[in-house]
This record gives sequence, C-alpha cells and structure tokens, in this order.
Amino acid sequence: DSGVTQTPKHLITATGQRVTLRCSPRSGDLSVYWYQQSLDQGLQFLIQYYNGEERAKGNILERFSAQQFPDLHSELNLSSLELGDSALYFCASSVRGVSDTQYFGPGTRLTVL
Amino acid sequence: AQKVTQAQTEISVVEKEDVTLDCVYETRDTTYYLFWYKQPPSGELVFLIRRNSFDEQNEISGRYSWNFQKSTSSFNFTITASQVVDSAVYFCALSDSQTGANSKLTFGKGITLSVRP
Repeated sequence: DSGVTQTPKHLITATGQRVTLRCSPRSGDLSVYWYQQSLDQGLQFLIQYYNGEERAKGNILERFSAQQFPDLHSELNLSSLELGDSALYFCASSVRGVSDTQYFGPGTRLTVL
Repeated sequence: AQKVTQAQTEISVVEKEDVTLDCVYETRDTTYYLFWYKQPPSGELVFLIRRNSFDEQNEISGRYSWNFQKSTSSFNFTITASQVVDSAVYFCALSDSQTGANSKLTFGKGITLSVRP
C-alpha cells in the first residue's frame, strides 16, 4: 500500500458526461501528479500541483481540469467525455519535486460508453 | 526532450530463470533520476527503485539488481531466479531537472514479463 488513495476505483459513464476523480496524497506529501494510462498512449503525465498551485502541465486536454485543495487532496475533472478518454487514471504524490520518488495510487479505471 | 526506450515489449521465461529488462534513456541534463516501477495484473504501480545520475553504483535488493551505466545511458533491471509472482509489466521512467521544481516522469512503454511455472 503506497499510502495514496484514489476514488472511485471504477467509473462507467456515457459520452458527453462529466466525472470527477479524487486523490488523497500520502501524509506529508505536498506534490500531486495525475497520469493517464491507455493502450495506445502508454503512461502519460497530465498535470502536477504543489501545495495548492499548478506546477506543470503535460498532455492534458482542455476538457480536463484539476485542482489541489488546502487539505492537499486533488480532483481531476473530465468533461464532454469521449470514447477515447477511457483509460486508467493514476494519481501520484511526492514530498516536493524533482528529486523525490512518486508513489502511485491504485488508479481509477474510467470506461466511457 | 527526455525519452525512455524499452525495446523489449514481451518476455517469457520459465520459473528460476534469470531475466534482464533493458532501459535506455535520453536527456540533455546532467542531473536526473531514473526509476523502475512494477505493474502487476491487479493494476497498481509499485515503486521499485530510484537512482540519481551521480550514483553509478549497482544495487542489489534480494533477487533484484540494477545496473546503471551512464556511458551507454542505460539502467537495466535483472531478476534472478524468477518466480511466477514476478509476472507483471515493468516500467522504466526518467525525471530530470530540466523541469525545475516540477518532476514529471517520462515513462517507457513497459515490458510485459511472464514467468511460467
């Protein structure tokens, strides 16, 4: 158990809908990262927050947004969902940044029908 | 830009065989960090090891060992006396200081290891 929690574990929804994925980092970690894992794209970095502020953006679509709250938990919002958004979404956390190990949550498997 | 190449896509071995998973990376930075993660069939990503660019010492942890060679930009992972429980997808990843305080991981495509009894 990495200490990072993600909810829900599975999510099935329809095209055009909006969903919210939730992540709680390990105790003491200030950075939260979101990654998407799909068969065709592999594991791709989406976005990083550090102590409530956005720090880095990767290949995140404009339909996706995220935030980190004062208690350091983070939410990833996915809207106007398309079939291609079906993937495993991971949250990871680390103490700070570049030199720190990222520990991953169990992931949320999103299926868009 | 940083890049991680795991040329092997699938490896199948019989239990107790040794197996080496290859990882080649590209980065323009002199300070960087390399990682291996394991993704078992249950789906979670499990951290195995972190190595910084200034430490070329090989590391051994039980049946696992890692060989870091800056000269060839490689960070290979060897499992000795493999077991069925080692069956998983293994990812090599790179984080470098080009991103400053940001530390996104760049992952390879992963290697699917199947260990047959």
